[in-house]
Amino acid sequence: SYELTQPLSVSVALGQTARITCGGNNIGSKNVHWYQQKPGQAPVLVIYRDSNRPSGIPERFSGSNSGNTATLTISRAQAGDEADYYCQVWDSSTDVVFGGGTKLTVL
Amino acid sequence: QVQLQESGPGLVKPSQTLSLTCTVSGGSISSGSYYWSWIRQPAGKGLEWIGRIYTSGSTNYNPSLKSRVTISVDTSKNQFSLKLSSVTAADTAVYYCARDFLGFDSSGYYVVDNWFDPWGQGTLVTVSS
Repeated sequence: SYELTQPLSVSVALGQTARITCGGNNIGSKNVHWYQQKPGQAPVLVIYRDSNRPSGIPERFSGSNSGNTATLTISRAQAGDEADYYCQVWDSSTDVVFGGGTKLTVL
Repeated sequence: QVQLQESGPGLVKPSQTLSLTCTVSGGSISSGSYYWSWIRQPAGKGLEWIGRIYTSGSTNYNPSLKSRVTISVDTSKNQFSLKLSSVTAADTAVYYCARDFLGFDSSGYYVVDNWFDPWGQGTLVTVSS
């Protein structure tokens, strides 16, 4: 079965750039989607198909995907960006696959 | 703007069947080429996809749960539902419903992609006697 690997936690200084990675075998050949989940709330789609932002998502959020790693980049990090972030792909053998999630802390 | 809302009992006894309903508002559940999914999240843990349904009634299930899951749709009520049988404490989780976007290959037949947007607010289901 296909697996996605995310770091448990990432820290970023206020106003700096945070990068959250999502590793998978040849993940660059797949479309990667990213969700933000704040405490007590439902996940919200922030990036779909590697680098597309849904309406209402700030331009500070961007994504890239190549080789064995996809990356969610949050520029000019704000306190309100503190959340868990999950990557997700579709795989022919297992259908939906979620990464284990990364807790972003803004210092 | 489409919104989803889960409803159902918050407490289910072990070995019984968990039943939840997701009501879609702000649009017809039958409009567009959308699918509709259930996803769950145990406290402090990650997300687990349960399954999806199309308004035709076509379903896909997570292989690890397939033997216990039934998802159905009622287009007249703009709702879709989840039934999970023979529950144990391991099924205690927040259950979310979500609109499921599927991407197909050039033949239009094989799925090659999917993502979820939007999600319902979630409902906590506890399995306990």
